[in-house]
Amino acid sequence: KNQVEQSPQSLIILEGKNCTLQCNYTVSPFSNLRWYKQDTGRGPVSLTIMTFSENTKSNGRYTATLDADTKQSSLHITASQLSDSASYICVVSGYNTDKLIFGTGTRLQVFP
Amino acid sequence: EPEVTQTPSHQVTQMGQEVILRCVPISNHLYFYWYRQILGQKVEFLVSFYNNEISEKSEIFDDQFSVERPDGSNFTLKIRSTKLEDSAMYFCASSTNRVMDEQYFGPGTRLTVT
Repeated sequence: KNQVEQSPQSLIILEGKNCTLQCNYTVSPFSNLRWYKQDTGRGPVSLTIMTFSENTKSNGRYTATLDADTKQSSLHITASQLSDSASYICVVSGYNTDKLIFGTGTRLQVFP
Repeated sequence: EPEVTQTPSHQVTQMGQEVILRCVPISNHLYFYWYRQILGQKVEFLVSFYNNEISEKSEIFDDQFSVERPDGSNFTLKIRSTKLEDSAMYFCASSTNRVMDEQYFGPGTRLTVT
């Protein structure tokens, strides 16, 4: 069954610190992996999109990595800000399908 | 910056009633999607729409659901006879192309079925 699992479920860090969120997936055949940020009560906002041939992609303070062999991805947030408090969702797309498979997300809280 | 808009932001309806959720995708986008998120659960794909027809649908998207692009700007999701378990946040999204293109999500419509 195609699944996307994320860890940790929730994370609390202090402003200015770095953190790394993890994603494992079983989606096959694989097309691409996305990381989204979702504020409470809002729609997801795309951070990065990577295909199987890409190992890393950055978007400002966000850096995503992908290991298509082990079916793992991570999202690293550098120098966290209070506005980074949100859910971060790993989303995987299979080959030749519109269907995005969402993980349950990691709820990040950044405190001053 | 262009954005996807959705109306209403919150809809309360009684079980068995029909509801129509409305979305205005970004104007030059060609692919349209509906997703739902039950409270506390993951976002789930419902349906994709391209060239005035359904491109793909999930097992959730049964005969109670339908989608339509009634004019050049709106994209609607209709639930014919709502059930309690239809209570969820419904997100519309749009993209320029399929697959690798970024999908832009609207703010969502919270549907509460009583």
